[in-house]
Amino acid sequence: AQSVTQLGSHVSVSEGALVLLRCNYSSSVPPYLFWYVQYPNQGLQLLLKYTSAATLVKGINGFEAEFKKSETSFHLTKPSAHMSDAAEYFCAVSAFGNEKLTFGTGTRLTIIP
Amino acid sequence: DTAVSQTPKYLVTQMGNDKSIKCEQNLGHDTMYWYKQDSKKFLKIMFSYNNKELIINETVPNRFSPKSPDKAHLNLHINSLELGDSAVYFCASSLRAAETQYFGPGTRLLVL
Repeated sequence: AQSVTQLGSHVSVSEGALVLLRCNYSSSVPPYLFWYVQYPNQGLQLLLKYTSAATLVKGINGFEAEFKKSETSFHLTKPSAHMSDAAEYFCAVSAFGNEKLTFGTGTRLTIIP
Repeated sequence: DTAVSQTPKYLVTQMGNDKSIKCEQNLGHDTMYWYKQDSKKFLKIMFSYNNKELIINETVPNRFSPKSPDKAHLNLHINSLELGDSAVYFCASSLRAAETQYFGPGTRLLVL
């Protein structure tokens, strides 16, 4: 079985500051890992995904995430926050070859002007 | 051109009613999903269909019945609606099982 823990249900950063959203996973088999973003009253949009290739994954809008097997982590970062980054971010995991996607509880990112 | 579309966008109804939510994808994907997002934003998969065949059925009350008339459509019918069914329901699709899932805009269901 797979599970995801997102530390911090709310994160606030100043515009221009580093964004760091934490995600730890648990999986009995090699995982696929995803970060999705949800803007208010909208559906989920894929930011990036890890599928056992390069451990540093670059996504859209300047986001990236690093898969660290030893730490069972897949934290999302962005060097410089922008007001438009304010949204809910979800980390998700699936097992290799398994269609079931298990989501974390989400982190709401607020950008302070 | 919307990739994954859902209708209606909003649905307000009384307890005990029966309602349906429709989902269509024009991506040529084989696999479609229904998710429920509760008031705390927690997302949980409900069903998954691959080529019109049910492959995931998470512990969902049998008042919820998915129907896939073809690969491009996956509808969700809900009987005898209850207050706890109030949530946002998302449809998603992927090229194949275990591939990246693309989400629709959601249907906001409020049961009064």
